[in-house]
Amino acid sequence: DAGITQSPRHKVTETGTPVTLRCHQTENHRYMYWYRQDPGHGLRLIHYSYGVKDTDKGEVSDGYSVSRSKTEDFLLTLESATSSQTSVYFCAIMAGGTNTGELFFGEGSRLTVL
Amino acid sequence: GENVEQHPSTLSVQEGDSAVIKCTYSDSASNYFPWYKQELGKGPQLIIDIRSNVGEKKDQRIAVTLNKTAKHFSLHITETQPEDSAVYFCAASERGSTLGRLYFGRGTQLTVWP
Repeated sequence: DAGITQSPRHKVTETGTPVTLRCHQTENHRYMYWYRQDPGHGLRLIHYSYGVKDTDKGEVSDGYSVSRSKTEDFLLTLESATSSQTSVYFCAIMAGGTNTGELFFGEGSRLTVL
Repeated sequence: GENVEQHPSTLSVQEGDSAVIKCTYSDSASNYFPWYKQELGKGPQLIIDIRSNVGEKKDQRIAVTLNKTAKHFSLHITETQPEDSAVYFCAASERGSTLGRLYFGRGTQLTVWP
């Protein structure tokens, strides 16, 4: 357990509504990541953060934004949810110091967009 | 970016037999190769990793081998047990740059029959 909590764990919403997923960590890790997992695609990086207010895009960032105003919280926002964003979302942190590569994942947030 | 291919997508073995999962990568700059195990309804868990300065690493019943020339790496599980049943993901990254971004394979569903 790397001290990662994701909320909500499950959410059903309608197309066009905004959604925010929260990732909270308790161990002061600098690097945080949002991945999505879809059948046949493995895990794909949406956005990542390398410090407070420092974020960058991953490979599937369209339709998503992120914010990190505190070290412990990394928020993923879908401004206007679409059915293609139905997925399981995982937050991850990098442990073990600067850029070791060792990622540890949360338990996931399952989002269904109707 | 990096492209990671993983085979097979499904694997069924009898308890006690060995299981092998293979991955290839495209970016010769990649130097960190972790393997994750994901049980149903949970986040991926790091089970073993290898860095490009070694060719093999073992941890009890699991081992990983790396062939940098051929750009492929493999996960070997010996004496499989029913609790090894899960989805396994390989990944690759260029440790030391790109802030620990991992590129994942599409996963292998391993089923171990008692």
